[in-house]
Amino acid sequence: DTGVSQDPRHKITKRGQNVTFRCDPISEHNRLYWYRQTLGQGPEFLTYFQNEAQLEKSRLLSDRFSAERPKGSFSTLEIQRTEQGDSAMYLCASRLIGTEAFFGQGTRLTVV
Amino acid sequence: GQQVMQIPQYQHVQEGEDFTTYCNSSTTLSNIQWYKQRPGGHPVFLIQLVKSGEVKKQKRLTFQFGEAKKNSSLHITATQTTDVGTYFCAGLRNYGQNFVFGPGTRLSVLP
Repeated sequence: DTGVSQDPRHKITKRGQNVTFRCDPISEHNRLYWYRQTLGQGPEFLTYFQNEAQLEKSRLLSDRFSAERPKGSFSTLEIQRTEQGDSAMYLCASRLIGTEAFFGQGTRLTVV
Repeated sequence: GQQVMQIPQYQHVQEGEDFTTYCNSSTTLSNIQWYKQRPGGHPVFLIQLVKSGEVKKQKRLTFQFGEAKKNSSLHITATQTTDVGTYFCAGLRNYGQNFVFGPGTRLSVLP
């Protein structure tokens, strides 16, 4: 148990539907990251927050993707109008500045 | 943009043999981290290297950061079946805040 919780663990959705994932980081961690990982690849950066501020977004993050961390605690990642190419493992990680990242178990999204 | 590459992509070894994976960045890094991901699991932090030429050891694992801070290596001595998994390096570029992961090296250990 790394202390970072993600919900749900698995999500199957039909193409065109919206999905939302939640991440609860380790409580004292001020930085929260979202990554996407496909089979056989390394985690691919999507976005990160420092407290409630979203400081960086990957160019890979299309307009269909949005992330929030409203009170600097938990975060949500929403994908609108899902496409089959969105099928992947979505990983959340948290850390304190200068230290290692702790990853959650991930949410596996399958778009059918 | 910054790219982080790793070789080899796969490595199959007999239990007891040594294993090395190499990580190369297209840009100078301020630090580098190594993670291990077991099949079906999530990445788990192994170590962070910060200084040029730094070498750190964890039991049978030896990590090295290159003098130019653009490459790193992980060496495992006398592999065991528990070493099975994918090893990722993740580089933090100078003045950057985001770690860029390499594609990983998948290690299989045959008993």
